[in-house]
Amino acid sequence: AQSVTQLGSHVSVSEGALVLLRCNYSSSVPPYLFWYVQYPNQGLQLLLKYTTGATLVKGINGFEAEFKKSETSFHLTKPSAHMSDAAEYFCAVSSGGYQKVTFGTGTKLQVIP
Amino acid sequence: GAVVSQHPSRVICKSGTSVKIECRSLDFQATTMFWYRQFPKKSLMLMATSNEGSKATYEQGVEKDKFLINHASLTLSTLTVTSAHPEDSSFYICSARDAYSYNSPLHFGNGTRLTVT
Repeated sequence: AQSVTQLGSHVSVSEGALVLLRCNYSSSVPPYLFWYVQYPNQGLQLLLKYTTGATLVKGINGFEAEFKKSETSFHLTKPSAHMSDAAEYFCAVSSGGYQKVTFGTGTKLQVIP
Repeated sequence: GAVVSQHPSRVICKSGTSVKIECRSLDFQATTMFWYRQFPKKSLMLMATSNEGSKATYEQGVEKDKFLINHASLTLSTLTVTSAHPEDSSFYICSARDAYSYNSPLHFGNGTRLTVT
């Protein structure tokens, strides 16, 4: 079984401030981990993914995430928030390349000018 | 990059009618596509896994006779909401993986907003 917990359904940051969105996972096998972003009335766009190898993963739009096995975490960060980063962010886990993907409940990021 | 096209983006229908939603992978082949439903301020709920050339696999609690899924080719899956009712109003999103890339992530369509009146 696998699951994802995203702490904080809403996060507000000031423009230019650090963005930190938290994600903890549970998986009985080495996980594949993903972060997706969703803008209003649109589908999801992949920000970054971790499968194997380097634990610090860089994605699009300046985002990165670090896989920490000991903490079962995969937090998403960005050094400096832009107004265009305001969206809903979903963390997801799967147990392998062709396996089912389980999503967290999402975190809505608000960027304050 | 991999593109998934979902159509229509919005549909309004009357209660009792059926609605078909199409999901196409434009530049890759997908033996498996996934259909999700998203409720307001909620996460994505996996409804079913669509398998090319065979029957779809439905998640627990999803009515297979109400949500008909057909995956007739490696690039097209359809979801038909039969005898729609207002409680079926929701945002439906499809996704697909590249069949020839083991580590391929899910690629999502832009969703379909269904409103049943």
